[in-house]
Amino acid sequence: ELKVEQNPLFLSMQEGKNYTIYCNYSTTSDRLYWYRQDPGKSLESLFVLLSNGAVKQEGRLMASLDTKARLSTLHITAAVHDLSATYFCAVDPGNYGGSQGNLIFGKGTKLSVKP
Amino acid sequence: SAVISQKPSRDICQRGTSLTIQCQVDSQVTMMFWYRQQPGQSLTLIATANQGSEATYESGFVIDKFPISRPNLTFSTLTVSNMSPEDSSIYLCAWTPRDEQFFGPGTRLTVL
Repeated sequence: ELKVEQNPLFLSMQEGKNYTIYCNYSTTSDRLYWYRQDPGKSLESLFVLLSNGAVKQEGRLMASLDTKARLSTLHITAAVHDLSATYFCAVDPGNYGGSQGNLIFGKGTKLSVKP
Repeated sequence: SAVISQKPSRDICQRGTSLTIQCQVDSQVTMMFWYRQQPGQSLTLIATANQGSEATYESGFVIDKFPISRPNLTFSTLTVSNMSPEDSSIYLCAWTPRDEQFFGPGTRLTVL
């Protein structure tokens, strides 16, 4: 059974600081997703990581994937209040080269950025 | 990205009743997915809905409780049957056009 573990589950940051959220998963997969969820809203796709060593950046967020270590990171640079949200990683257990689409989600990291 | 809509956006229902949630995608898709997000929790896949075949349910979810229809390639429904307060959740449909999975806006269900 595929398990996805995120840490930390809660993160309170000062504006301007850097931090990393970690996502570990228990079985082979080369497809990992990061989502953002604001309170009362649906999920917004942030990053899709499809191969070992993949790195993607958007604004103050950068995501990377190490399939050998079964680890993805979401790095926050110089945090601002607008980044306050819950961040989920999700793993697609589909076979290599073909997505099953039935994502397994981590528990989420609730990020609060304080002035 | 495709547009996914869900109806209703929210509802308050009485125990023992049923609610059908509709999901419409503006492109034809083979597979659609239904997830549940209980209050303060992460997302859990309920089932995968393939057009022209029975839905595939994940462990802990059964067809009698969550019947799914998939009449065509752009539409699916999920029914939450014989509801109890434990069914209070956000229900989301999703689809994967290529490598990315997109989620609908969700249906927030409260069962009294």
